[in-house]
Amino acid sequence: KAGVTQTPRYLIKTRGQQVTLSCSPISGHRSVSWYQQTPGQGLQFLFEYFSETQRNKGNFPGRFSGRQFSNSRSEMNVSTLELGDSALYLCASSLEAGKNIQYFGAGTRLSVL
Amino acid sequence: SQQGEEDPQALSIQEGENATMNCSYKTSINNLQWYRQNSGRGLVHLILIRSNEREKHSGRLRVTLDTSKKSSSLLITASRAADTASYFCATDIGGSNYKLTFGKGTLLTVNP
Repeated sequence: KAGVTQTPRYLIKTRGQQVTLSCSPISGHRSVSWYQQTPGQGLQFLFEYFSETQRNKGNFPGRFSGRQFSNSRSEMNVSTLELGDSALYLCASSLEAGKNIQYFGAGTRLSVL
Repeated sequence: SQQGEEDPQALSIQEGENATMNCSYKTSINNLQWYRQNSGRGLVHLILIRSNEREKHSGRLRVTLDTSKKSSSLLITASRAADTASYFCATDIGGSNYKLTFGKGTLLTVNP
């Protein structure tokens, strides 16, 4: 079975731009969560989607948004990029919502200049 | 804010030695998990221990959980160079707003 696939792997953007990251979960997994990882703040939960609905959201500004499609693929969008948004963005999938073990993709490395 | 705090922040050992990492957390939890991350890549799930369990084994891994002290430890026995990675504990409190809350991790270096 293919693992969690995140695209693109690397992105360079400038301040004020917006960006969309994509995540394809493991086949059959219906829940997708997003995390931001930075050296200063570590791994922080962004949001979780299940059956195209956002179930839970972390403490991030409204510039961070996401969605999930009927095939469980998910996208996250960051608008009006700031330097501090530079991070590794990780997507994780699990069979059902609220299930313990999450399977992570390799991440998208976003650099904001 | 981080739920878990790993200790030590960095650990360097020789191949064949045992490595012990600790994690403390602040609130009551449902489960605690350990994940490994190789050099800025994705996380790999290692082991999960439930709040009503005290110890769990998986291959060379041994995890303990002390809910009275709000702490857990991960022991890797007979370490190998391939074990070099960052190790994170992650907790969840269960319920409908499920999410994993991670510590800042321990960077383990195993020297050949």
